Amino acid sequence: GQNIDQPTEMTATEGAIVQINCTYQTSGFNGLFWYQQHAGEAPTFLSYNVLDGLEEKGRFSSFLSRSKGYSYLLLKELQMKDSASYLCAVRDNNDMRFGAGTRLTVKP
Amino acid sequence: DSGVTQTPKHLITATGQRVTLRCSPRSGDLSVYWYQQSLDQGLQFLIQYYNGEERAKGNILERFSAQQFPDLHSELNLSSLELGDSALYFCASSVGGGPSTEAFFGQGTRLTVV
Repeated sequence: GQNIDQPTEMTATEGAIVQINCTYQTSGFNGLFWYQQHAGEAPTFLSYNVLDGLEEKGRFSSFLSRSKGYSYLLLKELQMKDSASYLCAVRDNNDMRFGAGTRLTVKP
Repeated sequence: DSGVTQTPKHLITATGQRVTLRCSPRSGDLSVYWYQQSLDQGLQFLIQYYNGEERAKGNILERFSAQQFPDLHSELNLSSLELGDSALYFCASSVGGGPSTEAFFGQGTRLTVV
C-alpha cells in the first residue's frame, strides 16, 4: 500500500519561512511532486524530486530523502497569495497517490 | 489559463445515468491525465493516456472508462452514476509520458449526482 501523510493545517506570518513536511510509504518509488491549489481552483505544479537532495526554484524549495520516505516543501518570504493548500504526491510505478493536503494560512 | 480545456464546467445528473466529460490538452501535449477530487477522498489519480495509449492507471472504478482520440483530446465516461460520484473531475496534460513530466491542469468539471 501507499500512505502519504502531511499536516492538515499550518499558519505562518507574511515574510516568514514555512516548511511543510510529507512522509510516505511506497513499494515502487518513481518520484515525488508538490502541487499548490487555491480554493476553488485547479492544482498547479510546484516541484518534482526523484533523487535525494534539495531542489530550489525561486522562493520555493523541495527536499527529498528516499531512505526516510520523507520530503518537505520550503516556502520563503511568504506572501499573502501563498495561502493555499499544498499537496504532496508520490508516483509509484503506474499509479500516483496524493496526500490530503496542507492548508496554509498566511497572516499579515 | 493553463491551455487545458474541459467541458462542461458543471453537470447535474441523476443516479444511474451516464455522462461524458471532455478534455482538450494543451497544444503539443501528448499525455492526458484524469483526476477526481471530492471532499472526503481528496485528489485521486484515475488514469493517464499517452499518444492514444493507456500509460498508467490509478484507482479508477470499473464503471468509469476513458480514451484518448487521434487528435489527442480525451473523454472520461462515467456510468451507473451514484451519489458518491459527485466530485470535481480534473484533466491535466503534459508533453511527455514519464513520471517527471510537469502536468498542467484544466479548471475541472463539477459533477453533481442527485
